[in-house]
Amino acid sequence: KAGVTQTPRYLIKTRGQQVTLSCSPISGHRSVSWYQQTPGQGLQFLFEYFSETQRNKGNFPGRFSGRQFSNSRSEMNVSTLELGDSALYLCASSLGRGDNQPQHFGDGTRLSIL
Amino acid sequence: DAKTTQPNSMESNEEEPVHLPCNHSTISGTDYIHWYRQLPSQGPEYVIHGLTSNVNNRMASLAIAEDRKSSTLILHRATLRDAAVYYCILRPTGTASKLTFGTGTRLQVTL
Repeated sequence: KAGVTQTPRYLIKTRGQQVTLSCSPISGHRSVSWYQQTPGQGLQFLFEYFSETQRNKGNFPGRFSGRQFSNSRSEMNVSTLELGDSALYLCASSLGRGDNQPQHFGDGTRLSIL
Repeated sequence: DAKTTQPNSMESNEEEPVHLPCNHSTISGTDYIHWYRQLPSQGPEYVIHGLTSNVNNRMASLAIAEDRKSSTLILHRATLRDAAVYYCILRPTGTASKLTFGTGTRLQVTL
């Protein structure tokens, strides 16, 4: 069974640009969550999508957005990139919402801002 | 979300048992205790979870105190591949899928 797939694995951008990251959940999983991991702040929740609707949002500025498609695949977008957006962005999927099923993480997209 | 407290780091010898503690004195009755670990250069990986009773799976055991204010993740025979950061997380049941990660415990395993 294929795991959570995130693309691309590595990305380099410059300040002011925008970026789109992609996440393909495990087949059959309908909930997708996104996290940001930095050395200073650790792992922080960005947002969660279920049935193409954002269900929960973390404490991040509006430059961070996302969406989910009918096949449960998800994308997140960051506009007007800042140096502080350099991080590992992780996607996790689970069968449903809040059902205490394990969340399965991808290996992330490492975004570097120059 | 209720807070968890874990030691910053622990060391173990290979093939010995490891007991990773977690304190969660403000846990509510509906909070599940979840453990994840993150190996170097990988995303977090689910290890185990429980509510009140001790739990076992192929990876580890979870021992939950009777008052639920603390728990211990037990790796029965540590291997070098178990070197990772271990996170103890409280998840309210019936709520969103959000996980609130703390700083975790970095486990070093030596020969």
